[in-house]
Amino acid sequence: EDQVTQSPEALRLQEGESSSLNCSYTVSGLRGLFWYRQDPGKGPEFLFTLYSAGEEKEKERLKATLTKKESFLHITAPKPEDSATYLCAVQPVNTGTASKLTFGTGTRLQVTL
Amino acid sequence: ETGVTQSPTHLIKTRGQQVTLRCSSQSGHNTVSWYQQALGQGPQFIFQYYREEENGRGNFPPRFSGLQFPNYSSELNVNALELDDSALYLCASSLGTGVGSPLHFGNGTRLTVT
Repeated sequence: EDQVTQSPEALRLQEGESSSLNCSYTVSGLRGLFWYRQDPGKGPEFLFTLYSAGEEKEKERLKATLTKKESFLHITAPKPEDSATYLCAVQPVNTGTASKLTFGTGTRLQVTL
Repeated sequence: ETGVTQSPTHLIKTRGQQVTLRCSSQSGHNTVSWYQQALGQGPQFIFQYYREEENGRGNFPPRFSGLQFPNYSSELNVNALELDDSALYLCASSLGTGVGSPLHFGNGTRLTVT
């Protein structure tokens, strides 16, 4: 069974204090790994897709990396507006024609002044 | 570009009742997926519709059913509501089912079953 585990569950940073969020996954074959950001009361907002080990993607203060067992979301010099829950999801190869994602439970990030 | 819109935003129902949730997909997208997100959890896949046909289903009972219309909008129907059905129901649209077309989510319908 496909599994996604995210750590830590919650993280509190001061503005400017860089850190990383972890996503460990178990999947029979990886078609893609996704990062989403979710604000309270909103739907998830797409950030990145990673396809293969060694791949990296960047967007503003965020950088996502992928290995064969884990993905990291690095946040450099975060600002209060980066506060949100960050969700990791995998799309395995064996979902037939459907683009079914298996999500982790997320990391709640709070960035304070 | 119009994003994914869902209605209603909030709904309160009684156990045993039936509910219909609606979703308009993002302009140009032909695939709609539905997810259930319980409080403090990640979204769980319910099913996906592509060109008006269900083309994948998660571990949900048959009382969860859906439709996709020719304009690619979609409905999620839940019969015989149970207390555990209380959750945020998310609709996501994409262009096709390939991994190169990521899911774009709406803001969900918050369903409370009492």
